[in-house]
Amino acid sequence: GAVVSQHPSWVICKSGTSVKIECRSLDFQATTMFWYRQFPKQSLMLMATSNEGSKATYEQGVEKDKFLINHASLTLSTLTVTSAHPEDSSFYICSARDLGPSSYNSPLHFGNGTRLTVT
Amino acid sequence: AQTVTQSQPEMSVQEAETVTLSCTYDTSESDYYLFWYKQPPSRQMILVIRQEAYKQQNATENRFSVNFQKAAKSFSLKISDSQLGDAAMYFCAYLTGTASKLTFGTGTRLQVTL
Repeated sequence: GAVVSQHPSWVICKSGTSVKIECRSLDFQATTMFWYRQFPKQSLMLMATSNEGSKATYEQGVEKDKFLINHASLTLSTLTVTSAHPEDSSFYICSARDLGPSSYNSPLHFGNGTRLTVT
Repeated sequence: AQTVTQSQPEMSVQEAETVTLSCTYDTSESDYYLFWYKQPPSRQMILVIRQEAYKQQNATENRFSVNFQKAAKSFSLKISDSQLGDAAMYFCAYLTGTASKLTFGTGTRLQVTL
């Protein structure tokens, strides 16, 4: 089945530094990838939609200058948390949809997530 | 905006028994898709079952089945012959046919007891 690889699985960084999280579709191409944030015992909240070759679409309330998204190829999207602060500590999950003819309603394939801790 | 509501924060079921998880949603669209995802302690999101809104027949996947009531905007998940490995967070999710964004409910934590 379709596999989405997310790296790193966990990261600890100091306040003020930046952290990059990678999301790769290993066996399929994805023009669109999605970035979610999940706080403990809560649901997944969509942060932004990453579009290959164009700017990401951010959800209301998400700071685009803080959460930089780059989707440079059909298999890779990156999320950079800039000038991270303790309140950015969370679980970040990416997902992608297979670029098939009826892909828009096909299930999302999720990465294993990245646990970010900012000290 | 579409909303997805899961009114049961926690549920418990004995092994081999049946449990039903509730989900309701709000939408003005006629073309959409509904999903149930499972998130075990590993936090990997696993697709359990999906339902197309235009299909009247309820989807089934082995021990998992749904009761899709379009008029009532209800989409419950039934797990039969529950197993210890079914213990996880379960999220109901809605996908609009146009915007292609997945909206998740708040989740239900399912415990399976011996």
